[in-house]
Amino acid sequence: GAVVSQHPSWVICKSGTSVKIECRSLDFQATTMFWYRQFPKQSLMLMATSNEGSKATYEQGVEKDKFLINHASLTLSTLTVTSAHPEDSSFYICSARDLAGGFNTQYFGPGTRLTVL
Amino acid sequence: GENVEQHPSTLSVQEGDSAVIKCTYSDSASNYFPWYKQELGKGPQLIIDIRSNVGEKKDQRIAVTLNKTAKHFSLHITETQPEDSAVYFCAASIGDNAGNMLTFGGGTRLMVKP
Repeated sequence: GAVVSQHPSWVICKSGTSVKIECRSLDFQATTMFWYRQFPKQSLMLMATSNEGSKATYEQGVEKDKFLINHASLTLSTLTVTSAHPEDSSFYICSARDLAGGFNTQYFGPGTRLTVL
Repeated sequence: GENVEQHPSTLSVQEGDSAVIKCTYSDSASNYFPWYKQELGKGPQLIIDIRSNVGEKKDQRIAVTLNKTAKHFSLHITETQPEDSAVYFCAASIGDNAGNMLTFGGGTRLMVKP
């Protein structure tokens, strides 16, 4: 149980294009999902908290107009990197919070490697 | 806010030996402490977690201990195997508050030499 999927697993795009990444909780409902960014050999950096049916909460320094988040259902959140540039190249990982049992257990997706040329 | 420090940043052990990774946290209100294992090119995988109402939890070769007074918790891996090689992250959170997120440590790269 508690499986989170991400699609695509990797994507290469040209500078200036937009890329959408999907995050799905496969066997549980997630009212809250999180989007992280990870650079090589570094820890996970929280970008935003995605709440079903409401606007996402972005961490300081993260441009909300560049990283569009939509959490349209209890099992799906999407991250769209708009007008991507080479500096946006990174490993993007989502997690979904399973509140079963009343605790803040997060399960992570497999990640999406974005390369912007 | 919460601050989590993790040590060591790299750890090399011989197969069969034990490995210990330590984390300290700053917010005494934190009560949920998960550990994640991340293999190269993959997302973090939850391997064990502990809540502040217990001092130790064990799952086969993996155990976690928590010292609330000192605000530190540790991951213990016994009889290490090459497949244990990965980056391990500790995290802290106020687990029963739906509005709180995880704060991660900097990670420990564990290398198990055959």
